Amino acid sequence: GENVEQHPSTLSVQEGDSAVIKCTYSDSASNYFPWYKQELGKGPQLIIDIRSNVGEKKDQRIAVTLNKTAKHFSLHITETQPEDSAVYFCAASIRQAGTALIFGKGTTLSVSS
Amino acid sequence: EAGVAQSPRYKIIEKRQSVAFWCNPISGHATLYWYQQILGQGPKLLIQFQNNGVVDDSQLPKDRFSAERLKGVDSTLKIQPAKLEDSAVYLCASSPGPGRDTQYFGPGTRLTVL
Repeated sequence: GENVEQHPSTLSVQEGDSAVIKCTYSDSASNYFPWYKQELGKGPQLIIDIRSNVGEKKDQRIAVTLNKTAKHFSLHITETQPEDSAVYFCAASIRQAGTALIFGKGTTLSVSS
Repeated sequence: EAGVAQSPRYKIIEKRQSVAFWCNPISGHATLYWYQQILGQGPKLLIQFQNNGVVDDSQLPKDRFSAERLKGVDSTLKIQPAKLEDSAVYLCASSPGPGRDTQYFGPGTRLTVL
């Protein structure tokens, strides 16, 4: 079945450093790839997304890259801050966009000051 | 704009009891999803509604789980009877509809089955 692999499972960085989280997906029909941030006791919050017709997207300190040939996509956070500490999930659409998402297992990011 | 509302936020029950969760999506959103999130894992889809019709319930354990969205607005997810392995956070999400698929999540209901 469809699968999304996410690495690393935990990531610790110093404030101001960059953080990179990588995901691979199995279904070549997937064409929508969001990233969510989840804080303790809260629901996932969308931070950025990318569609298959785009290779890169940036929003201030956050960027996402997509390599459809290799079926992997990555989240890049620059100039990390303590408030970036949370669990980050990548996801891919099941089959085409407009369908539900399949999620990775999450990355716990810790930013120390 | 109000977000996705869910209630209750927490529920503790004994195994073999029944439980129901309620979700009110963002106003005007046609698509509603229920996900199950077990501790330490990503959310897993249980069921997807488009208005009041089911689009995908392939991962819903239909012997014990049921869901409805009768008027195409709010939705209820029920578990009867509950098992220990049903302990999880149940997340509701909504999206505007076909062609506008960004999903917005509610805060979730944390279920503990003893």
